[in-house]
Amino acid sequence: EPEVTQTPSHQVTQMGQEVILRCVPISNHLYFYWYRQILGQKVEFLVSFYNNEISEKSEIFDDQFSVERPDGSNFTLKIRSTKLEDSAMYFCASQPRTTGNTIYFGEGSWLTVV
Amino acid sequence: GQSLEQPSEVTAVEGAIVQINCTYQTSGFYGLSWYQQHDGGAPTFLSYNALDGLEETGRFSSFLSRSDSYGYLLLQELQMKDSASYFCAVRDRKGGGNKLTFGTGTQLKVEL
Repeated sequence: EPEVTQTPSHQVTQMGQEVILRCVPISNHLYFYWYRQILGQKVEFLVSFYNNEISEKSEIFDDQFSVERPDGSNFTLKIRSTKLEDSAMYFCASQPRTTGNTIYFGEGSWLTVV
Repeated sequence: GQSLEQPSEVTAVEGAIVQINCTYQTSGFYGLSWYQQHDGGAPTFLSYNALDGLEETGRFSSFLSRSDSYGYLLLQELQMKDSASYFCAVRDRKGGGNKLTFGTGTQLKVEL
């Protein structure tokens, strides 16, 4: 069964460093998302991406964050200058079509900022 | 903005039935989804309700009342593997996107 894959599974970085989290969404899906989950808390929406541009972003997704789809398969989240409070699990997700009800999540990238 | 409320924790015995409630406040409501998340794992889709009523998928059922801004997930014949966190999530049309806003999650513990 097709799945969303994410790398790395776990990354430790120093405060102030740049981090790039990578995702390969399910082929032929149209909508792409990044969510994050701080340990023990709920899953929070960061950004949605459709037709090669951001369609919506949350208040969390400030100027330190950016997303790219550099080719037909990869979807990346970049955090330019990490802060301690960026420590969280970051989930990539994709959706097959704009009217689809199901969002498929990857296994997540656990980011620890020290 | 959107807000969703769920009980933080529910405990039940194997073989029993459990109901997890969710109340929501949102603008531009489009539908209510339920996701299951095992510790350290990815949220996985369980069910979706756009219209009032009950949707049944095997041992799991989900109910929605749009007029009451309320829904629930019903798990029958509980198994140990059902121990996980369960999140309700609203899908809204704000901004034209399909983002989900998740509730705080309900941790279900299934005991022998």
